[in-house]
Amino acid sequence: DAKTTQPPSMDCAEGRAANLPCNHSTISGNEYVYWYRQIHSQGPQYIIHGLKNNETNEMASLIITEDRKSSTLILPHATLRDTAVYYCIVRVAAGYNAGNMLTFGGGTRLMVKP
Amino acid sequence: DTEVTQTPKHLVMGMTNKKSLKCEQHMGHRAMYWYKQKAKKPPELMFVYSYEKLSINESVPSRFSPECPNSSLLNLHLHALQPEDSALYLCASSQGSQGVSAKNIQYFGAGTRLSVL
Repeated sequence: DAKTTQPPSMDCAEGRAANLPCNHSTISGNEYVYWYRQIHSQGPQYIIHGLKNNETNEMASLIITEDRKSSTLILPHATLRDTAVYYCIVRVAAGYNAGNMLTFGGGTRLMVKP
Repeated sequence: DTEVTQTPKHLVMGMTNKKSLKCEQHMGHRAMYWYKQKAKKPPELMFVYSYEKLSINESVPSRFSPECPNSSLLNLHLHALQPEDSALYLCASSQGSQGVSAKNIQYFGAGTRLSVL
């Protein structure tokens, strides 16, 4: 699986958009970009994923550059409850017996401030 | 219901004890996972079970012994642990089907915080 690079920490004002970047310059054509987050003392939580098109769901938007070498997770109106570590993970959409696992990098610690 | 339940939430054990961690899901998922997370570090994969069979063991020491008695239940048996094994142990599950990426989303439990004295 391709390696990802994320800033170790970011701050965001409550109510503003939080834009979390991820660099994955060695991504392969069949690798998806997944985002998970981990709120303190909880297990990781799936947010969103995409291959090459931009994606949006009730939690966030995912913008993937045309060359797919980087992406940005956008939380449109950050709240204090969005304070967490955000992990960008790149992997193939493998079947159950082909290494269906997540390799977490360091992530970005997002602090949403009042 | 997208809940993965882990028990106990906290566990303190001595180096000579034998204990077990339990994980349960009722989403019909056929893949289940154990991860270990040290303080201020990302989770690291330990084991993967697919259709109740162990499919991946990430070179985990034998003092950790996983078991999958049925498709809803995953155990992690602990014996003769070391203080450096103190960590948060996370269980996850996913649908486990081939093909479409969305079916490989993993759902995590809240974890068991283990302290080895």
